[in-house]
Amino acid sequence: KAGVTQTPRYLIKTRGQQVTLSCSPISGHRSVSWYQQTPGQGLQFLFEYFSETQRNKGNFPGRFSGRQFSNSRSEMNVSTLELGDSALYLCASSLGRERSTDTQYFGPGTRLTVL
Amino acid sequence: AQTVTQSQPEMSVQEAETVTLSCTYDTSESNYYLFWYKQPPSRQMILVIRQEAYKQQNATENRFSVNFQKAAKSFSLKISDSQLGDTAMYFCAFMKPQGGSEKLVFGKGTKLTVNP
Repeated sequence: KAGVTQTPRYLIKTRGQQVTLSCSPISGHRSVSWYQQTPGQGLQFLFEYFSETQRNKGNFPGRFSGRQFSNSRSEMNVSTLELGDSALYLCASSLGRERSTDTQYFGPGTRLTVL
Repeated sequence: AQTVTQSQPEMSVQEAETVTLSCTYDTSESNYYLFWYKQPPSRQMILVIRQEAYKQQNATENRFSVNFQKAAKSFSLKISDSQLGDTAMYFCAFMKPQGGSEKLVFGKGTKLTVNP
């Protein structure tokens, strides 16, 4: 079974631009979570989507948004990019069953550099 | 809010030896899950081991085992017979069940180097 895939793997943008990152979960997984990884702050939870609905949200400004499609693929968008948004953005998928705590499996990440 | 602390930013071990990575966490919850993830230099985060707090038995996965001390809120990872491929960042993570909507809270990580 194919793992979590993320595109693109690398991205360079300038301040003020916006960016869209994509994540395709493992087949059969309905939950997709996004994390930001930086040397200073470590790994921080952005948000989680299940059945096209945001179920959980981390403490990030409104410039960070996401969505999920009917095939469980997810995108995250960052508008008005700032230098501090440079990070590795990781996507993780899980079965997302309501009465179960399912393990999250991670993709390879998208390395975003903001100049 | 839950917090996870990994007190060893870097560690090194000789190939074939055993190493233990420390993790402590803070929570008022009684039911939760703990994980160790490995992130090799290639950046793909890989699940190493998972522990349910309600289980007293420590989880094991081949050369990897944990020492889960619930009262002390401690969750250490032991790697036996270390291999060069074990070189990676290791992250301890906490998850509180929220009816399907869980999020992982990570520690800052421990960089492990296995030397030949």
